[in-house]
Amino acid sequence: GAGVSQSPRYKVAKRGQDVALRCDPISGHVSLFWYQQALGQGPEFLTYFQNEAQLDKSGLPSDRFFAERPEGSVSTLKIQRTQQEDSAVYLCASSPVENANSGNTIYFGEGSWLTVV
Amino acid sequence: GESVGLHLPTLSVQEGDNSIINCAYSNSASDYFIWYKQESGKGPQFIIDIRSNMDKRQGQRVTVLLNKTVKHLSLQIAATQPGDSAVYFCAEVNFNKFYFGSGTKLNVKP
Repeated sequence: GAGVSQSPRYKVAKRGQDVALRCDPISGHVSLFWYQQALGQGPEFLTYFQNEAQLDKSGLPSDRFFAERPEGSVSTLKIQRTQQEDSAVYLCASSPVENANSGNTIYFGEGSWLTVV
Repeated sequence: GESVGLHLPTLSVQEGDNSIINCAYSNSASDYFIWYKQESGKGPQFIIDIRSNMDKRQGQRVTVLLNKTVKHLSLQIAATQPGDSAVYFCAEVNFNKFYFGSGTKLNVKP
């Protein structure tokens, strides 16, 4: 499809397990964002890439969270030793522009729903 | 960090009525704001935006009002339809980061 694609859509992990969430942005999009959305809350910023460069990772909650975008296209968010508080929807968004100066240029995926049991 | 909050967590309206969803923000230096709609199981979808040099902007059936004096945003939806049922978020944008509020759920009764 033409939109931002995320996989898996649903993931159940046992506490302590490592997980990897994949984001396929819209082809040619320069900017890529990861957000975490807890149940009943608004999305919270995790990290931002411009091409392959991770320009901001200030929102990553702990060193168990790691994101990469090695070729400036597909991105992976990895969570090591998952904890119950990691249960959330992880949203990826991409944009063809470098600066989020226009909201209608940013496209969100449907998210990866992570449940840690 | 930024703080963007909403006054009403749930809003129920009759189909055909107008809806008003409110939002407060904390950073007086913010100069760009966006309203998003999020349906169940989907990612946020852009509705309308406004910059701080404006106090009103209109789209198709939607209007956003910005009151910088009291740091308040509102989203007005005219002739609300069942398809408008969703959670609505306001967000302020600073340095490529979107700071979202906790959302208002809009229920449209037929």
